[in-house]
Amino acid sequence: SQQGEEDPQALSIQEGENATMNCSYKTSINNLQWYRQNSGRGLVHLILIRSNEREKHSGRLRVTLDTSKKSSSLLITASRAADTASYFCATDAYSTLTFGKGTMLLVSP
Amino acid sequence: GAVVSQHPSRVICKSGTSVKIECRSLDFQATTMFWYRQFPKQSLMLMATSNEGSKATYEQGVEKDKFLINHASLTLSTLTVTSAHPEDSSFYICSARDKTGRSYEQYFGPGTRLTVT
Repeated sequence: SQQGEEDPQALSIQEGENATMNCSYKTSINNLQWYRQNSGRGLVHLILIRSNEREKHSGRLRVTLDTSKKSSSLLITASRAADTASYFCATDAYSTLTFGKGTMLLVSP
Repeated sequence: GAVVSQHPSRVICKSGTSVKIECRSLDFQATTMFWYRQFPKQSLMLMATSNEGSKATYEQGVEKDKFLINHASLTLSTLTVTSAHPEDSSFYICSARDKTGRSYEQYFGPGTRLTVT
């Protein structure tokens, strides 16, 4: 199975702090994507990083990809209470997405 | 742009009945649509991939006779859960790939919460 593993499973921080989530996967990929899901809702696409990229930024998000270690990290800087959600990485290998188990992020005011 | 809708958003049905969930791409044509299933506090698991005008490809362990998928047009795919049982209660999410877009772009619907009593 290609399913990724995120860690930590749950993360609780204060507003203003940074949140870092990690994702590991098992096989070769075309790209890796990060999604956000609020409780009981659909997925929101956050950012995509291609296999030949090492780092990408989007607003307060920073994603890194290390294909040699088959791992990625998502950094959310200056977190806000509204960032509270579950975050999933998804690997794209043959145009299908395989999702990791997710990290539940709780940002307290 | 790139909006995907699902209907209904929530459905409660009795055990043994069938339920149909619709997935529509509202402003683009989707050659491929995907159906996922998500149990509480768990990840999304791909159930099947459907291409317009052809039979769906099911993932290992997913019963094709129980989860009927029809992708009859470039903007609509349906998932029918036949003879539903309480263990089929779950959150079902579809996604669609834009016919004209880059192959890796998928757009997700808001999900359908199915409860079987």
